[in-house]
Amino acid sequence: AQSVTQLDSQVPVFEEAPVELRCNYSSSVSVYLFWYVQYPNQGLQLLLKYLSGSTLVKGINGFEAEFNKSQTSFHLRKPSVHISDTAEYFCAASNRDDKIIFGKGTRLHILP
Amino acid sequence: DGGITQSPKYLFRKEGQNVTLSCEQNLNHDAMYWYRQDPGQGLRLIYYSQIVNDFQKGDIAEGYSVSREKKESFPLTVTSAQKNPTAFYLCASTRDYTGELFFGEGSRLTVL
Repeated sequence: AQSVTQLDSQVPVFEEAPVELRCNYSSSVSVYLFWYVQYPNQGLQLLLKYLSGSTLVKGINGFEAEFNKSQTSFHLRKPSVHISDTAEYFCAASNRDDKIIFGKGTRLHILP
Repeated sequence: DGGITQSPKYLFRKEGQNVTLSCEQNLNHDAMYWYRQDPGQGLRLIYYSQIVNDFQKGDIAEGYSVSREKKESFPLTVTSAQKNPTAFYLCASTRDYTGELFFGEGSRLTVL
């Protein structure tokens, strides 16, 4: 069965500093990976996705993620954060034959 | 614009009352999902439907019911049997096997 682990429940970072949000998954079959962002009292929006091909995936708002099969990781990165990036971020995994699985989320706090 | 519409956005209910949350999509997606979100617990799957007139229980279906009479609509009823119904409820749909989800804006239910 699949599982998704987000290693940090909260990450504080200063404005204009880089950030990495960590995500590890477990799956015995080929997997599709996603990062979503949720602003307060809103639904989730897709940031980026890995389906196949290049392991470096670029998304919206300057975010990118790297698929690492050997480490079963899909960490999300941004070189310079802004106050508007304050939100909760969810990693998710799916495959053809199983349910979509979400991590528990990471709250990103941007410090002035 | 295509999307998913959830209503109402905020709902208050007395204990012992059933309440129905609406979810409508005009994306022509076959599969639809209901998730429950509680602080620090990520998203938990309540029910999903991959085709009209068919649906399956998710991880926390007890105390909830759904119907799928039309492709566009997937309402969720929170029954009085649900022990702790206060939560944020998210409806979503997918267009293909990759599991990329499109979310509504959510409905926040508070039981008084």
